[in-house]
Parts: sequence; structure tokens; C-alpha cells
Amino acid sequence: AQSVTQLGSHVSVSEGALVLLRCNYSSSVPPYLFWYVQYPNQGLQLLLKYTSAATLVKGINGFEAEFKKSETSFHLTKPSAHMSDAAEYFCAVSDYVGAGTASKLTFGTGTRLQVTL
Amino acid sequence: GAVVSQHPSRVICKSGTSVKIECRSLDFQATTMFWYRQFPKQSLMLMATSNEGSKATYEQGVEKDKFLINHASLTLSTLTVTSAHPEDSSFYICSARGAAQETQYFGPGTRLLVL
Repeated sequence: AQSVTQLGSHVSVSEGALVLLRCNYSSSVPPYLFWYVQYPNQGLQLLLKYTSAATLVKGINGFEAEFKKSETSFHLTKPSAHMSDAAEYFCAVSDYVGAGTASKLTFGTGTRLQVTL
Repeated sequence: GAVVSQHPSRVICKSGTSVKIECRSLDFQATTMFWYRQFPKQSLMLMATSNEGSKATYEQGVEKDKFLINHASLTLSTLTVTSAHPEDSSFYICSARGAAQETQYFGPGTRLLVL
């Protein structure tokens, strides 16, 4: 069984400020973790993923996330927010264990990021 | 790479009619495709998982006779909402995953409005 908790359904930051979106997970197998971004009326775009390699993962648009097993966390950060970062962000965990196996993504409830001037 | 398209992007239909939504992987072979439903300001709810050439596996509470899924090729899956009713109005999103891949790539979504 797996689950994802995203603390804070709504986060507001000023343009140029640090962005920190929190994600904690629970998984019965070594997790694969993902952050997706969704702009209004659009599908989900992959920001970055952790697949048991380096614990600090760099993604697109200047985002990065660090996998911390001891804290069961995978928080998303960006040093300096831009107005275009305003969107909904979803953290997800997969129970993927290898080729040929069925696996699903379990999503968090999402965090809406607002960027103000 | 890893582009997934959906068609149509938006559809309005009358109650009682059926609507078909297509999901295509444009630059990779999708051995598995997923269909999600998303209500306003909520997360994605997995409806079903389909593997190419096999019957779809539906999540608990999803009516398989109402939401017909076909995954006849490695690049195309379809979701047909049969006898649609206003409560079926929602944002439907598909995703696709290739063989030996752990990542799902999402389509842009289809907004269905049933009048």
C-alpha cells in the first residue's frame, strides 16, 4: 500500500522568493517518486522523478527535489519563484518494481502555488 | 519525446448519448495506458488501467459497462462514456507508459460537459 501527503493545499510566495512544496510518502516497496505540474485546463507535465539513483533530483524549470528516506519526504524546491510557476503541483508515488509488472501512481491532493509581485 | 495527445480537448453532448475520447502516444509505444478523472480543484482519480491487447482493469467503484476502454494498439487507447449523464461531466486525462518504464506521460485532458 502506498500513499502521499502534500502539506498545504495552497502556498503563496513572492516573485523571486524560495518555493518549497512539501510531500511525504508511504510505500511498502522502495518508492519511485514524481512531481507533476498542472496548468489550468491542461494535463500533467512531469517536473522530475526519483528512481533510486541520486537522492537530489533536478528537473525542468529550475525545480529540484531531495529524497530523504529517513524522513519519508520528497519536497520540491526552487530558489527563485517566477510568475509562470503559478500552477497546481502534484506529488505521486509509484509501486513500480520492474518491467512486466503492473504498477500505479498514487497522487497527493495537490498544492496550488500562487506567485505574487 | 514522450508525447501523449488526447482528442477531443473539449466535448459537449446531450444526456443519453455516448462520447468517445482518444488517447495516443505519439513517439513511443505505450504498453500500458491509464484513464483518470479529475473533479474541479481535486486530485486525479484512477479509473482504469489497460494493457495493449488485454481487457482493462477497472478500479473499485468504476462501472466498466459505462466507461468502455479499448487499447487495441500500442499507440491508441479509447474511452467511451456510454449513455452519458450530467454527473459524468468532468475532466478526463489519460496517461501512457512504455515497456520497462516507470514513468507515466500524461495527455492534455478532455473536458466533457453533458447537458
